This record gives sequence, C-alpha cells and structure tokens, in this order.
Amino acid sequence: DTAVSQTPKYLVTQMGNDKSIKCEQNLGHDTMYWYKQDSKKFLKIMFSYNNKELIINETVPNRFSPKSPDKAHLNLHINSLELGDSAVYFCASSPGAGGAGTQYFGPGTRLLVL
Amino acid sequence: SQQGEEDPQALSIQEGENATMNCSYKTSINNLQWYRQNSGRGLVHLILIRSNEREKHSGRLRVTLDTSKKSSSLLITASRAADTASYFCATVLTGTASKLTFGTGTRLQVTL
Repeated sequence: DTAVSQTPKYLVTQMGNDKSIKCEQNLGHDTMYWYKQDSKKFLKIMFSYNNKELIINETVPNRFSPKSPDKAHLNLHINSLELGDSAVYFCASSPGAGGAGTQYFGPGTRLLVL
Repeated sequence: SQQGEEDPQALSIQEGENATMNCSYKTSINNLQWYRQNSGRGLVHLILIRSNEREKHSGRLRVTLDTSKKSSSLLITASRAADTASYFCATVLTGTASKLTFGTGTRLQVTL
C-alpha cells in the first residue's frame, strides 16, 4: 500500500548503457515529477507531468526521456549513461494541476554508473 | 541557480534541546515548504506556509516566514533522537505554480 513507489531501488550499470526507472503512485494524484539529488544532497527538478502531459522540462540532457503511460505512472529512461548521471533519482506526486502544494516522494533509486 | 540557502549546513544538539534552521530565498514566492529526509530515504513533507502567513505550527514544529527579508525558519522544540535527518526548505515561486525549488539543506544530529 505504498503511496509512491519506485523500481529498482538500486541500479549499478556501465557507462554507455541504457536504463529505465519506474514510478507508480496510488494516491490518485494528477501531477508527477522526477527529481535528481546529487552527492551533495542538492535536489533539482527534472520533469513534471500533469495527466500524462509534460508541463516542466528543465535543462536536462535529451538522453533523459520521461514517459507517462497514464496519470499513475511516470517512467524515466536514460540513454548512453555517463558517470555524471550517478545520483539518487526521486519520483514525487501531488494533487491538482500544479506543484504548489504538498508533494509526496518515493523512496528513491540510487543509480551508480561505473 | 539555487533559490534557497539554508543555515546552518549542519547542527548537532542534545535530546530535549530546541533546533532552529533558517532558509533564505531570492525571489517572490507563492509558498514555502519544509521537508525532512532521513538517511537513505525519500523526502517527507512537514509544513507549508503561504506568502500571506507569518507563522504556522504543527506539533513540535514552528515555522515563521518573513517575506520582507525573504527568509523562513523552522524550529523543532524538545528534539528527539528520531529527529535526526536532513531538513530542506523548498519554495514555489510566484507565477511558477508547478514546481518546487529546494534549498541546500541542514543536516540535524540529535544525540542522547
């Protein structure tokens, strides 16, 4: 009955590989997000979807492609992984059309690129 | 560039003491939120204060907002070892209702 879940929890891979991270929320929220937290714990938004539509696309390399098959799911696909992609990736969701209110975070996916 | 800067970066106190963390931001906001992150976990929302509010309470938490100084503080009273975590402020900027911009975080250590 986890509210926001992510898979996998840990991901270790080689440079150049392609990988996907999945996120699901069972809160009935309309908006979902991907954040990246670097080694200094700085958290920055990458993407946001509202009802399957992309509403925020920060300055992120186009190797990162989000996909929202329905409003309960937001997946993140990363092509040609680089060392600098190593980070913790958090999915989050919020009710309503925007992110002005409370956001609910998943447990994170720890990505290590070797 | 980062919107929020938090102070101090790290804080170590004993159980029972109060902990105060400060957050400063640069531009006009819609609201400001505080989140807690336990080691190796996701963020948990603590409290939201709107730009027209000056103070809010939730249990042992007290948040103040001074929009003239573009700053906020989070006070945790009677701290417990379980309060050990990183605390982040996050702002929703005026006119950008869709995203949170996080501060740099304060690492709080509460010892017995």
